[in-house]
Amino acid sequence: DVKVTQSSRYLVKRTGEKVFLECVQDMDHENMFWYRQDPGLGLRLIYFSYDVKMKEKGDIPEGYSVSREKKERFSLILESASTNQTSMYLCASSMDSGWGEQFFGPGTRLTVL
Amino acid sequence: AQTVTQSQPEMSVQEAETVTLSCTYDTSESNYYLFWYKQPPSRQMILVIRQEAYKQQNATENRFSVNFQKAAKSFSLKISDSQLGDTAMYFCAFMKQLPSGNTPLVFGKGTRLSVIA
Repeated sequence: DVKVTQSSRYLVKRTGEKVFLECVQDMDHENMFWYRQDPGLGLRLIYFSYDVKMKEKGDIPEGYSVSREKKERFSLILESASTNQTSMYLCASSMDSGWGEQFFGPGTRLTVL
Repeated sequence: AQTVTQSQPEMSVQEAETVTLSCTYDTSESNYYLFWYKQPPSRQMILVIRQEAYKQQNATENRFSVNFQKAAKSFSLKISDSQLGDTAMYFCAFMKQLPSGNTPLVFGKGTRLSVIA
């Protein structure tokens, strides 16, 4: 089974802190994604990556950056956390061929105080 | 840009009954995939069912089936014999298919389904 893991289920940070959210997949998938999920807004794409060291902006990249140094790991970085970044963050991965079905991690619920 | 619309924020259904969740999308692409994902309370998002745009036959997975109307750009999900474990958020998603590879999913805002005993 494909497994996507995220470093924390719950995280509480203070305004202005630098925050790292880690995601690891074990199926050698080329593509990895970061979404944020907010009630009434669904899932919105923050950043994605088609390959190691490659990254593309999604719909809401402002205030975020990403890093993909290894194929299996995709990190989301909040350079200076703000209260409006309080949200559920979901990581996903997929193959770059076929259906492109995305496999999701369990999510990290981030609260910024 | 593609958009996906789920017009029902919340729905409820009695156990063992049938329920249909609506999804419409807007695209000018001819090659694409459509998906329904399920997110149970406090649990991981999982794929329920998928449909290729070029296939006229509606996809079916056990109690889950879709009604794909390409001309109307409609992709509804029917759940038959609803079970308590079907209680979840359901997201409709669209993916454009390019010769160079797949593209990110575009999600609707979700429908919260409650199955009542």
